[in-house]
Amino acid sequence: AQSVTQPDIHITVSEGASLELRCNYSYGATPYLFWYVQSPGQGLQLLLKYFSGDTLVQGIKGFEAEFKRSQSSFNLRKPSVHWSDAAEYFCAVGALIQGAQKLVFGQGTRLTINP
Amino acid sequence: GAGVSQSPSNKVTEKGKDVELRCDPISGHTALYWYRQSLGQGLEFLIYFQGNSAPDKSGLPSDRFSAERTGGSVSTLTIQRTQQEDSAVYLCASSFLGVEQFFGPGTRLTVL
Repeated sequence: AQSVTQPDIHITVSEGASLELRCNYSYGATPYLFWYVQSPGQGLQLLLKYFSGDTLVQGIKGFEAEFKRSQSSFNLRKPSVHWSDAAEYFCAVGALIQGAQKLVFGQGTRLTINP
Repeated sequence: GAGVSQSPSNKVTEKGKDVELRCDPISGHTALYWYRQSLGQGLEFLIYFQGNSAPDKSGLPSDRFSAERTGGSVSTLTIQRTQQEDSAVYLCASSFLGVEQFFGPGTRLTVL
């Protein structure tokens, strides 16, 4: 069955530090992979996506992610975080389930930024 | 451009009452999804509409939950006889081909 694991429930980093949020997926076929961000009281905003091609994808707000098929991972990175990056981050895999395209989400990682 | 909109943004109701949550998808998007996000939880798939096909209701947690999509556009999620465990944020998303989904701001439902 399709699944997404985000091992870190909560991460705290200092402003200006680098960031890596981990995501592992389980899916039998070539996956579509997504990272979404959710600020408090807001909906989900797409940060970046991987469909095919270059395994290093660039997104908005200075984020990037690397697809590693051998590790079934799609980790999110940012070289230098800003206080405004504090939010909940969700990794998702797009899967064909029962004839329909659906997103299967991880449990999310809450990011706190220390000043 | 206009994104996915949802109304109301907040809804407080008493246990046992019925509620209706509305979603306006992005114009031209054929697929529409409802998710539930409970406190501290991930996103739980509820129901999926694609064009004129029969909806995929496999995620609905009980028969108190139902949804319809009129004219292939606006969707309403109805929860009958609400229970306290229904308290959550209900998110709607739409998609053109069903792969990349665009989310609305959500409706926060509180059942007292």
